Amino acid sequence: DEQLVQSETVVKQPGESLTISCEGSGNTFATSWIAWVRQKPGKGREWMGVIYVGDSDTKYSPSFQGQVTMSADKTISTAYLHWTSLQASDTGVYYCARLKEMSSPLDSWGQGSLVLVSS
Amino acid sequence: EIVMTQSPATLTVSPGQSVTLSCRASQSVSLDLAWYQQKPGQAPRLLMYGSSTRAAGVPARFVARGSGTDFSLTIRTVESADFAVYFCQHYNNWPPYTFGQGTKLEV
Repeated sequence: DEQLVQSETVVKQPGESLTISCEGSGNTFATSWIAWVRQKPGKGREWMGVIYVGDSDTKYSPSFQGQVTMSADKTISTAYLHWTSLQASDTGVYYCARLKEMSSPLDSWGQGSLVLVSS
Repeated sequence: EIVMTQSPATLTVSPGQSVTLSCRASQSVSLDLAWYQQKPGQAPRLLMYGSSTRAAGVPARFVARGSGTDFSLTIRTVESADFAVYFCQHYNNWPPYTFGQGTKLEV
């Protein structure tokens, strides 16, 4: 099984940039799709987008297109989620999760990265 | 966007009872439906996929069924380890794949 380890809790101010990471420890990371899922406080889960680690093909959910940037480096088995200018509304827990292929369930999840944006 | 609606939001049961959780899609997702379990402070865990297939290591007391728009997850003889939030997710029609709001199973 692919184990996913995410970067730790971070506190940022509005307007700052941020990149969080998701590192895989199995031998399938380079041929996996990695999804990013947001959960805002007291709310449900939202699918932000997916990236194929092998060639960095990305697919964004319409609500998140232009708001974040997904990237991946297969040589170090790591996927990234980047914001150029955070807003308070970006506060939430962000999970990475693995899909074996595009139309498949999320079979491994990271532990979540809490992002707190506050002035 | 396909909307996934779960009911009830909270389910209160005693260990030993059986419970059924519901997940409804706003349009057909065929059999492309997964269920997840999440305990406080933990990452979600895949329980079921393909509507009714148990993921590796999932006990047989978890039974899921359904197709199209109506799905259910039954936990036969609830154990203390089963108290958690359960949420469904379709992976049929991108973009995007969407999640249900979750059902909290509590004592």
